[in-house]
Parts: sequence; C-alpha cells; structure tokens
Amino acid sequence: AQSVSQHNHHVILSEAASLELGCNYSYGGTVNLFWYVQYPGQHLQLLLKYFSGDPLVKGIKGFEAEFIKSKFSFNLRKPSVQWSDTAEYFCAVNQGYSSASKIIFGSGTRLSIRP
Amino acid sequence: GAVVSQHPSWVICKSGTSVKIECRSLDFQATTMFWYRQFPKQSLMLMATSNEGSKATYEQGVEKDKFLINHASLTLSTLTVTSAHPEDSSFYICSASGALDTDTQYFGPGTRLTVL
Repeated sequence: AQSVSQHNHHVILSEAASLELGCNYSYGGTVNLFWYVQYPGQHLQLLLKYFSGDPLVKGIKGFEAEFIKSKFSFNLRKPSVQWSDTAEYFCAVNQGYSSASKIIFGSGTRLSIRP
Repeated sequence: GAVVSQHPSWVICKSGTSVKIECRSLDFQATTMFWYRQFPKQSLMLMATSNEGSKATYEQGVEKDKFLINHASLTLSTLTVTSAHPEDSSFYICSASGALDTDTQYFGPGTRLTVL
C-alpha cells in the first residue's frame, strides 16, 4: 500500500532561515506528488505539484520541491522563510496513471517561524 | 478559479441526530469529489470517493451506512452523518477535481462537527 512519511513533525525556524521539509513515499509505480499548506484557520491550498518533466518544481510563495526518484523523496525547500510561512505542510501522493485518483497524505509538518 | 465551498462551516448537534454537510464546486464541474476527516493535529484521512451519478467508494473501515454520500450533480456532493455520536466529532473536508484540472484536487474550507 502507498504511504507517505514526513519525518519532521514540528520545525521551528527564525525569519530568513532556509527551510527543507522531508517527504518520502513508498510506491514503485508512476506517481504524482503534491505539497499542500494549511495556514491557521484556513483550508488546504496547493503549493506545488509534480507530474512529470523537470524534477525541480517551483510553486507559489517562493517554495520549490525536488523529486528524486531513486530516493523516493520529494522534499520541500524555501531559501528564506517569513513569519507568514507559519502553517502546517502536507506532502501527498497519488498514482500517476489515474487522474483524480485518491491522494494519500503524510502526517504533516508544523512550521513555526519566530519573528 | 477552482473554488470549493462547504456548508455549514460548523455545526453542533445532539447525539443520535443526523447532520448533512454540503460541498460545492463554484466555478467548475467536479466529476469526482472526495470526503476526508481530519482529527486535531493530524493528517487528512480519506473517507470516500464519489463520482457524479455513481455510488461512492468507501475506504476500509468507514461505515457507508453511517456516512451517506450523495453526488447528484457535477457541482454538489453531500455527506450525511447519520445517528451522530460524540466520537464522530471531527473536521470534515471535501475536495473536488474535474475537467478544469483532472489531476489536482481543490479543497473546501472544512466543516467542524461537534456532537454533544
């Protein structure tokens, strides 16, 4: 069965620090990969997604993620975080051959940014 | 574009009553809608997948007679929690995907259900 692992449950950084959130998945076939963000009191929003092509994906708000197939990883990065990046971040995967197939979410990483 | 709404945003009900939650895609046709449950400080757990005009597909462990899902049109899906009990208290979130972007789900704001 597919699974998604986010090893960092809570990350605390100061403003301007660099960010990397880990995400690993277990599935041998073609996958689509996503990062979603949930700001306090708000609904899930799509940060970025990878379906195919360039493994380095750029998303909104300065975030990017790199798909490394050999490592089954899709880590999220941002060179310089802001206080407004405080949120819960979820990595997710679905099977690439099926559009609109179900998404499996990781357990989430809570990011706290100190002003 | 790709806006999904849910109604109500929060509801409190007595144990034993039924509660209906609506999920609407406002600016696109949602051929597939998904219902999730999120416990505090936890991830989203998929409950069921529904395609317009078809019966919903429930995940293992989800009682289909308790969580009734209807997807009668391309813009509306409903989740009815029947005979609700305190353990059903949770945050219920729907998502939708459709012709606009078939490989991406767009999420609603969620509905907070509290069963007394």
